[in-house]
Amino acid sequence: QVQLVQSGAEVKKPGASVKVSCKASGYTFTAYYMHWLRQAPGQGLEWMGWINPNSGGTNSAQKFQGRVTMTRDTSISTAYMELNRLTSDDTAVYYCSRDGALDYWGQGTLVTVSS
Amino acid sequence: DVVMTQSPLSLPVTLGQPASISCRSSQSLVYSDGNIYLSWFQQRPGQSPRRLIYKVSNRDSGVPDRFSGSGSGTDFTLKISRVEAEDVGVYYCMQGTHWPPWTFGQGTKVEIK
Repeated sequence: QVQLVQSGAEVKKPGASVKVSCKASGYTFTAYYMHWLRQAPGQGLEWMGWINPNSGGTNSAQKFQGRVTMTRDTSISTAYMELNRLTSDDTAVYYCSRDGALDYWGQGTLVTVSS
Repeated sequence: DVVMTQSPLSLPVTLGQPASISCRSSQSLVYSDGNIYLSWFQQRPGQSPRRLIYKVSNRDSGVPDRFSGSGSGTDFTLKISRVEAEDVGVYYCMQGTHWPPWTFGQGTKVEIK
């Protein structure tokens, strides 16, 4: 069965960076794009970007361009999302999700930005 | 960006009664291949979102048949024929036709009266 397992919660200071991982299993990792989304406390869902695990190509939402880096390691079927220059507004649960259809989701990673 | 507008934002429902959520897009969601990439997601308290419906009306595997989706162009509806206690949560519509970005509605909170 398809599973996406994300890394654990993080606490960061303003200005720092965070890197979240998403390990895929149960399907061919390189066959589906991996998307990243986030959800601030009590808020809705926001799409951040995707990575093509096959080529490494990426596409991100305009508001995150220059601040987000998406990478992957095909040898361990894992995608990564790194967000730089964190502020308190980046406090959120970050999700990975498979494909543009968003048919499977990780369990979420809470990133708290606080001084 | 395509704006997705849901209504109502809060929906108190009596157990066993039907419920309906509306989702409107700021432009037509018909893609060049003729498909409409409109999905519905359920997010139970403390859980990750779960896709219920894709391409307007296709139920995902394991989704009870009391959930149904319909619509065309810019107007879409999610219906629950008889609400059960496990249906409590927030429901989101999402468009994947005009990307980037993929965009979501604000969410509709379903609760039991």
